Amino acid sequence: EPEVTQTPSHQVTQMGQEVILRCVPISNHLYFYWYRQILGQKVEFLVSFYNNEISEKSEIFDDQFSVERPDGSNFTLKIRSTKLEDSAMYFCASSVSGTGELFFGEGSRLTVL
Amino acid sequence: QKEVEQNSGPLSVPEGAIASLNCTYSDRGSQSFFWYRQYSGKSPELIMSIYSNGDKEDGRFTAQLNKASQYVSLLIRDSQPSDSATYLCAVRVAGNNRKLIWGLGTSLAVNP
Repeated sequence: EPEVTQTPSHQVTQMGQEVILRCVPISNHLYFYWYRQILGQKVEFLVSFYNNEISEKSEIFDDQFSVERPDGSNFTLKIRSTKLEDSAMYFCASSVSGTGELFFGEGSRLTVL
Repeated sequence: QKEVEQNSGPLSVPEGAIASLNCTYSDRGSQSFFWYRQYSGKSPELIMSIYSNGDKEDGRFTAQLNKASQYVSLLIRDSQPSDSATYLCAVRVAGNNRKLIWGLGTSLAVNP
């Protein structure tokens, strides 16, 4: 069964460092997303990506965040200068049609010290 | 501020019983509604989607939508211990966008 894969599963970093989280969406999916979930809190939308460009981003997705699809398969989230409050589980998701029926990866847990 | 609200629980039911999970949303123009299941420490997994008023059944799961009351529910029949998880309600808000707004989730415990 096709699945969304994410790496790393856990990353620990120092405040101010750059972090890149990687995702391989399901191959025939066209819409890609990053969500995050701080421990004990709601899942929060960060950004959606379609046709090689950002289609929507939330107020959380400020200038410290960026996304790329560098090679037609990988989909990356970069945080340029991490803050303590960026500590969360980051989920990549993809969908065929952008309806909201999402397939999630297992997540990348980011811990900022 | 568009919101999705759920009773956080925990909701505890005996094995074989019906579990009823509820969700309300604030954006009256919302068109698409989803139930995801999240096991502890894992990612959300889609269970059901519902787009029009009424009931939609899939196996042991039934989603119910009432747009007038801005209310969506999930019924799980013949609950099993493996159904023990957090159930997340997610709503796609009105307009030309793709993002989902999520509830905090209801924790369900099915007791053998």
